[in-house]
Amino acid sequence: EPEVTQTPSHQVTQMGQEVILRCVPISNHLYFYWYRQILGQKVEFLVSFYNNEISEKSEIFDDQFSVERPDGSNFTLKIRSTKLEDSAMYFCASSELWSQGTTNEKLFFGSGTQLSVL
Amino acid sequence: LAKTTQPISMDSYEGQEVNITCSHNNIATNDYITWYQQFPSQGPRFIIQGYKTKVTNEVASLFIPADRKSSTLSLPRVSLSDTAVYYCLASLSGGYNKLIFGAGTRLAVHP
Repeated sequence: EPEVTQTPSHQVTQMGQEVILRCVPISNHLYFYWYRQILGQKVEFLVSFYNNEISEKSEIFDDQFSVERPDGSNFTLKIRSTKLEDSAMYFCASSELWSQGTTNEKLFFGSGTQLSVL
Repeated sequence: LAKTTQPISMDSYEGQEVNITCSHNNIATNDYITWYQQFPSQGPRFIIQGYKTKVTNEVASLFIPADRKSSTLSLPRVSLSDTAVYYCLASLSGGYNKLIFGAGTRLAVHP
C-alpha cells in the first residue's frame, strides 16, 4: 500500500528556533493536511491544503505556522519561532480527493515527527 | 455540528468480539461515519466507513441503524495487536477538507 513519509522522525530544537517538518504525500493525492498530537491528548487538526493554498486552518495554526508545497512531491510545515507548548507529534496526511459536502474521504497518515522544544 | 460520543475506554480478551458504539444524534444528511485506528506513536489509520445499514471489510464491520443517530464498530475475534485508540468521525465539523478527531475509545485487549 502506498504511504505518506515524514522526516525527520524526531526533531529536538531550542525554544525560539525555526523548524521545518517535511512530508512526502502519496503521489496521486491532491489534498494535504497537518495534524498534531500532544502526548496523551487527542489528534488536533492544524491545516488543510489544496491547489497550492490553505483550504482550512484551526485556531492553533497562527502566524507562527506556515505550510508550503515547494515542489511536486514535498509538503512542509514551518514553525517560525518554536515555543515549549509546540512539543508534540506532528502528523502529515493526504487524500486523493474530497467530495464536497461529505465526509467520505480516506486520509492516509504518516508515522509522524516527534518535535521536542527545549 | 454532529458531535460524536463514544466510551473513553474498553477492555476485552483475545478471541472475543468487541463492539464500540458511537452516538451522533445530529448527524447531517451528507455525513458519512468513518472509523480510524491509532496505535501508540503512529498516525491514525482508516478502518471503515459507511452511510447506512452494514458495511464489512477484512478488518471490521460497521452497523448503522436507519435513523443514523449511532453506529457500532465491530471487531471480530480481537488479538493483542488490536489494542489501540479507535476514533469515530461523523461530521465535517464546520468546514470542508477538515476531519476533527475526538478523544476516541482506548481499547485494551488482554491475554
